[in-house]
Amino acid sequence: GAGVSQSPSNKVTEKGKDVELRCDPISGHTALYWYRQSLGQGLEFLIYFQGNSAPDKSGLPSDRFSAERTGGSVSTLTIQRTQQEDSAVYLCASSSGLAGVGDTQYFGPGTRLTVL
Amino acid sequence: GQSLEQPSEVTAVEGAIVQINCTYQTSGFYGLSWYQQHDGGAPTFLSYNALDGLEETGRFSSFLSRSDSYGYLLLQELQMKDSASYFCAVREYDYKLSFGAGTTVTVRA
Repeated sequence: GAGVSQSPSNKVTEKGKDVELRCDPISGHTALYWYRQSLGQGLEFLIYFQGNSAPDKSGLPSDRFSAERTGGSVSTLTIQRTQQEDSAVYLCASSSGLAGVGDTQYFGPGTRLTVL
Repeated sequence: GQSLEQPSEVTAVEGAIVQINCTYQTSGFYGLSWYQQHDGGAPTFLSYNALDGLEETGRFSSFLSRSDSYGYLLLQELQMKDSASYFCAVREYDYKLSFGAGTTVTVRA
């Protein structure tokens, strides 16, 4: 597609429920990233995919968070048993995946998650 | 761990020049990026410096000094549409970006 898309744009859920957030990267981009942004804060790295594999999951805050990517394209971030502190904007980005300088990451509009 | 420091907010009038400084301490360093984010929008890429010196792109310029672990973003001829948050981000490895907390720039008429 023309840009990175994410769905849903907004998600309100009750504490303890599971949620799935979806990211469609730019066509042809092999690298995909998930970030979390709390209100008024910078972006917190969660996980990185190169193709379908995730060489770096170091940013996932707890084992309630998981992510997968299939077909080298769409990715899903799943949060189980949501807590109020999970409320944030979840941003996805993709890049061409070429190692070295200047591999620009292009961001989607984000999913605003609110846990009541 | 990593840390990036940038001012929390800057206010300036239209037509003015604003410089946003960023100092960093990270475990790895490939380069320094700058992103712009309008309220409620997605971060958009502005510039990337891998080597020391100044990179100019229209009204925006970015500078890097690797020896000082320091960079800045220069916004010239400020316009109302430049009101946004600006983030510096260090590329720690060939893929991982670590972001500062952001600088909110407010442009007044």
